[in-house]
Amino acid sequence: RKEVEQDPGPFNVPEGATVAFNCTYSNSASQSFFWYRQDCRKEPKLLMSVYSSGNEDGRFTAQLNRASQYISLLIRDSKLSDSATYLCVVKGSDGNKLVFGAGTILRVKS
Amino acid sequence: DGGITQSPKYLFRKEGQNVTLSCEQNLNHDAMYWYRQDPGQGLRLIYYSQIVNDFQKGDIAEGYSVSREKKESFPLTVTSAQKNPTAFYLCASSRACGGADTQYFGPGTRLTVL
Repeated sequence: RKEVEQDPGPFNVPEGATVAFNCTYSNSASQSFFWYRQDCRKEPKLLMSVYSSGNEDGRFTAQLNRASQYISLLIRDSKLSDSATYLCVVKGSDGNKLVFGAGTILRVKS
Repeated sequence: DGGITQSPKYLFRKEGQNVTLSCEQNLNHDAMYWYRQDPGQGLRLIYYSQIVNDFQKGDIAEGYSVSREKKESFPLTVTSAQKNPTAFYLCASSRACGGADTQYFGPGTRLTVL
């Protein structure tokens, strides 16, 4: 079983739609969780951290469910510029190693 | 001339053998795809790759494997685990990641299992 699993998609949605991605992780000792965004031929960039209490940044909401070991990302009012690959990332209990999921492709179309 | 090539055009395989289909493009495209077409049906996606060293399963990946070690090349291996491999296989590539851009198709390989 992979340490971090994501549905690869692609998710094809119209502009203005709300879309949600889920990610599961296998290491229950994981301490920190993140969502990264990756555009074509570029390195992944941090989108937001994920906290147990849930956190929101504009149109983006991230949530963590430790009991079920999954993380979610909700994007409201999708824009064309949201089209990218979204990577779920987990940091282990040793505090150093980041484990990346394979990514979920989002395509927003007009 | 830029383009996408597949070889061979016709391929025959004995049951139980693995076989690899070649797909090469010199269009400098990031994304590449493999489809299969069966008589009377549309294209079905087997595997796709957005970037070198990365690929994702399509709708019917079982019994197939791919690699993407170079940007120009995306070979498809039809393994003995594929229950019904006789089909027409099409390779495609596109400029943008995720296939949002126009896909360019190769000439195809017709695989027949004897």
